[in-house]
Amino acid sequence: DTAVSQTPKYLVTQMGNDKSIKCEQNLGHDTMYWYKQDSKKFLKIMFSYNNKELIINETVPNRFSPKSPDKAHLNLHINSLELGDSAVYFCASSQAGLAGGGGTYNEQFFGPGTRLTVL
Amino acid sequence: AQSVAQPEDQVNVAEGNPLTVKCTYSVSGNPYLFWYVQYPNRGLQFLLKYITGDNLVKGSYGFEAEFNKSQTSFHLKKPSALVSDSALYFCAVRDSWGKLQFGAGTQVVVTP
Repeated sequence: DTAVSQTPKYLVTQMGNDKSIKCEQNLGHDTMYWYKQDSKKFLKIMFSYNNKELIINETVPNRFSPKSPDKAHLNLHINSLELGDSAVYFCASSQAGLAGGGGTYNEQFFGPGTRLTVL
Repeated sequence: AQSVAQPEDQVNVAEGNPLTVKCTYSVSGNPYLFWYVQYPNRGLQFLLKYITGDNLVKGSYGFEAEFNKSQTSFHLKKPSALVSDSALYFCAVRDSWGKLQFGAGTQVVVTP
């Protein structure tokens, strides 16, 4: 009955590999996000999807490609992994509020995170 | 551009004492402000938010925050801290695109 789940929890891989992180929410929310938390705990949004449509795409290298097969899932695929990609990646979801463009006044629910280590 | 600042990297408080975690913001337009808490090796948990209305907002786990427009602040408070409140606290502001801009976080350490 986990609200926002991510798999895997830990991911250790070599430079140059391609990997995916999966996220699922069972809250019935229509908006999902990917955040990156670096080693200094700084948290920054990467992407946001509303009803399977990409609405926020920060200045993230195009090696990162999100995919939303349906409203309940938002996966993150990373090509050609680099050392600097090592971080904790969090998925989150929320129900869009009154504002358009993916704006939401509602709180976001976060998954437990995926710790990615690139060697 | 919207931003928040958390001026303290760490706040130390004895159990039973009041806890305050500071946050100041910079926005164009109405501010929409949030507080989240992150326990070790966990995701962020929502504590409370200010959208409109009363300046004093009550949230989860006995926390509250006071919105002060003149001082552009949204400080998080708890009257009596518990050891279990030790965690990383994030202030965030929603920008005009709907994104949450997080502060750098404040580590709270509550000692018995």
